[in-house]
Amino acid sequence: EPEVTQTPSHQVTQMGQEVILRCVPISNHLYFYWYRQILGQKVEFLVSFYNNEISEKSEIFDDQFSVERPDGSNFTLKIRSTKLEDSAMYFCASSLWGNQPQHFGDGTRLSIL
Amino acid sequence: DQQVKQNSPSLSVQEGRISILNCDYTNSMFDYFLWYKKYPAEGPTFLISISSIKDKNEDGRFTVFLNKSAKHLSLHIVPSQPGDSAVYFCAASGSNNAGNMLTFGGGTRLMVKP
Repeated sequence: EPEVTQTPSHQVTQMGQEVILRCVPISNHLYFYWYRQILGQKVEFLVSFYNNEISEKSEIFDDQFSVERPDGSNFTLKIRSTKLEDSAMYFCASSLWGNQPQHFGDGTRLSIL
Repeated sequence: DQQVKQNSPSLSVQEGRISILNCDYTNSMFDYFLWYKKYPAEGPTFLISISSIKDKNEDGRFTVFLNKSAKHLSLHIVPSQPGDSAVYFCAASGSNNAGNMLTFGGGTRLMVKP
């Protein structure tokens, strides 16, 4: 069964450094998403992306965050200058159409020191 | 943000019995609901969904019931198996969201005892 893949599985970064999290969505899916889960808290929506542009973003997704689909397969989340509170599991998801089930990758654990 | 709530943090069930997981929501604009299962160190795995035009959807051992007037949905697993032990999340979205944002509940940890 096709799946969403995320790399790396664990990223350790110094505060203030830039980090890029990578995702390969399911190949025929058209909608792409990033969520995060801080330890002990709910899964929170960050951003959705369709047709090469952001379709919705949450309050969390401020100017320090950006997303990109640099080629036909990858979908990336960049955090420009990381803060301690960015430490979380980051999940990428994709769906075939808008109101269809979103399928999640296994996440990247981001640890900011 | 308490738009989607799962009031039971954990549930323990004997193998072969029914597991019933509950979820409440407050946002009347939600019209699409999903259940996900999550094992440690893995991402959420989609189980079953229901749109607000239906009140029941069934897929094998999994059935989701939606009570719109009560803003309540439940997931029934029957018969429960030890491999069903995981954290279960309900999630909701509204067609008024251009970006199909999912709002998640806090999860219920299901333990199925052999």
